[in-house]
Formats: sequence, structure tokens, C-alpha cells
Amino acid sequence: GESVGLHLPTLSVQEGDNSIINCAYSNSASDYFIWYKQESGKGPQFIIDIRSNMDKRQGQRVTVLLNKTVKHLSLQIAATQPGDSAVYFCAERDYGQNFVFGPGTRLSVLP
Amino acid sequence: DTEVTQTPKHLVMGMTNKKSLKCEQHMGHRAMYWYKQKAKKPPELMFVYSYEKLSINESVPSRFSPECPNSSLLNLHLHALQPEDSALYLCASSQVQQETQYFGPGTRLLVL
Repeated sequence: GESVGLHLPTLSVQEGDNSIINCAYSNSASDYFIWYKQESGKGPQFIIDIRSNMDKRQGQRVTVLLNKTVKHLSLQIAATQPGDSAVYFCAERDYGQNFVFGPGTRLSVLP
Repeated sequence: DTEVTQTPKHLVMGMTNKKSLKCEQHMGHRAMYWYKQKAKKPPELMFVYSYEKLSINESVPSRFSPECPNSSLLNLHLHALQPEDSALYLCASSQVQQETQYFGPGTRLLVL
């Protein structure tokens, strides 16, 4: 399940299940979005990106969905593995501006 | 080479010390960035260099001084820091400003 509070929002999933991490963005003019994965003690790692002229993009085991109507972005991870445990950040960019990062979601994969 | 490297990995300094953080990339990227990240928070943009010129300074205190000696290197000079400056300092680069950024592993800084 997902919990939100004083700490970083956390999503706990069983190993092998699919994960869905959500991100609500604020700027309707944002035209480019990136998902980053940050493992403990490391820098953010690029996972997948999507431009505003698309609503879905697939990578290896990951899919990003973009719903511009409700300003919502999601990252789906298929067959979640222990190595997927990390904090996931979405980042949005308004054309001509710099990226703005979301608050992040911690994904915890249970054995 | 698709890597951004940062040195040192860890740094402990006193409030009267002067130290420097270093960042290097050999991807031919012409934009480089410094971010500050506190625990359980997203990265916060500090500085942007575009074609070796300072493009953005996000109202960062003068005790942080960036430098871009050439298109591959980015430094962050630190002087008279405060304990609240303790954080993970991340460097990133992109082909040009506002395009996809690739991050280094960060320098974990502790100010005593």
C-alpha cells in the first residue's frame, strides 16, 4: 500500500508484482517529463522520459503514462525486483525553463 | 563515456575551512549544474552553467562559489559554511541547458 505523511511517501509491493508510482505535476505548460531512480547514497539515475505530444512510452520493464488533462504522470514497473527498491522522482520542464522535481516516492520491495 | 564523476565522495569540514567539490563529464555536454539535496527531499537547483558561463544562480549564499574552468569541469568552492549546509551535493550535465540531465553520484558534505 501507499502512505503519505511527515516522511517520504512510501509504496510497498511484493517481489514479482507490478508497481505503479504516481506524480501530480503543477504546470499545464510543462512539455517534457523524466523519471529518475535514486538508490541510497547515489545520485539520481535516468529511467525514462516522455514529451507532452505522447501519452505512453515503454522501456525495458518500465512504462510511463502521461495524462495531460489531469496533469498526472505515472511510472509502471513490471515484475518488481529487490533491485528496484529506491526513491523515484518525477521531474517536469516548462519549455525554456529548468526542471522541477516532485517530492519523490520510496519504493520498498518485500520478499 | 556516459558518466558524470564527482570528488570527493565524502567531505567533513569545519565552519572556518575552505574546500572545493569537483565534477567532470566527458560526454560533450555544454550545460552543467549544481544541486543540493537534503535527506528525504528532492534535489534543489543551485547553479547552472551553459557554455561555460553562469546562466542561473538560484539565490545561493556567497559562501558557495561555482567555477567552470572548461566545458568538462565544474567546481564548487566552499568557504565559511554553516552546519545547515550539510547535504548531498549533486552535479549534473546535459547536452544543452534544459535538456535531459545526467547526475553524478554526489558528494556527501558534513559541516561541523
